Amino acid sequence: GAGVSQSPSNKVTEKGKDVELRCDPISGHTALYWYRQSLGQGLEFLIYFQGNSAPDKSGLPSDRFSAERTGGSVSTLTIQRTQQEDSAVYLCASSLVQEELFFGEGSRLTVL
Amino acid sequence: QKEVEQNSGPLSVPEGAIASLNCTYSDRGSQSFFWYRQYSGKSPELIMFIYSNGDKEDGRFTAQLNKASQYVSLLIRDSQPSDSATYLCAVTSRGTGRRALTFGSGTRLQVQP
Repeated sequence: GAGVSQSPSNKVTEKGKDVELRCDPISGHTALYWYRQSLGQGLEFLIYFQGNSAPDKSGLPSDRFSAERTGGSVSTLTIQRTQQEDSAVYLCASSLVQEELFFGEGSRLTVL
Repeated sequence: QKEVEQNSGPLSVPEGAIASLNCTYSDRGSQSFFWYRQYSGKSPELIMFIYSNGDKEDGRFTAQLNKASQYVSLLIRDSQPSDSATYLCAVTSRGTGRRALTFGSGTRLQVQP
């Protein structure tokens, strides 16, 4: 596609439920990143995929968070047993030239 | 100490003035430096990157890098109300083994008409 596509754009869930957030990167981009942004805050790194290399998971805040990237393209971020502090905008980005990121519009997660 | 630090602002400048945004970073091994602009409710977009010490100009924007002092700045000349946004500084933190960008919390810029 023309840009990074994320879905859903908004998700409201109850505490304790699992959620899945999807990211479809720009075609041909080998790197894919997940960040999250809480209200009025900067971007917090979560996970980074580069080609077929093992992902850099060093930013995942707990074992409730996981992500996969299938076929080197679409990625899914899964949050199990959601907590209220998980409420944030989850941003996906992709890049061809390393570090020049193109962001999607984000998935706004609200945990009640 | 945060890896990337920015003054949260808001930085308020009159239309037509020069806006100066500053950023310091802690990892001396950082090699790539980026400025992203984020309008309220929108995603960040890349406006400048700089890899070498000195100045890099692109239109009304100038990025300045001083690796010895571990700071990077962004100057916006002839500021316009449309420049009002949050500006995020980002660096690679290769020293931590992480190759993704580390972002500061951003400086909110307000350009007064």
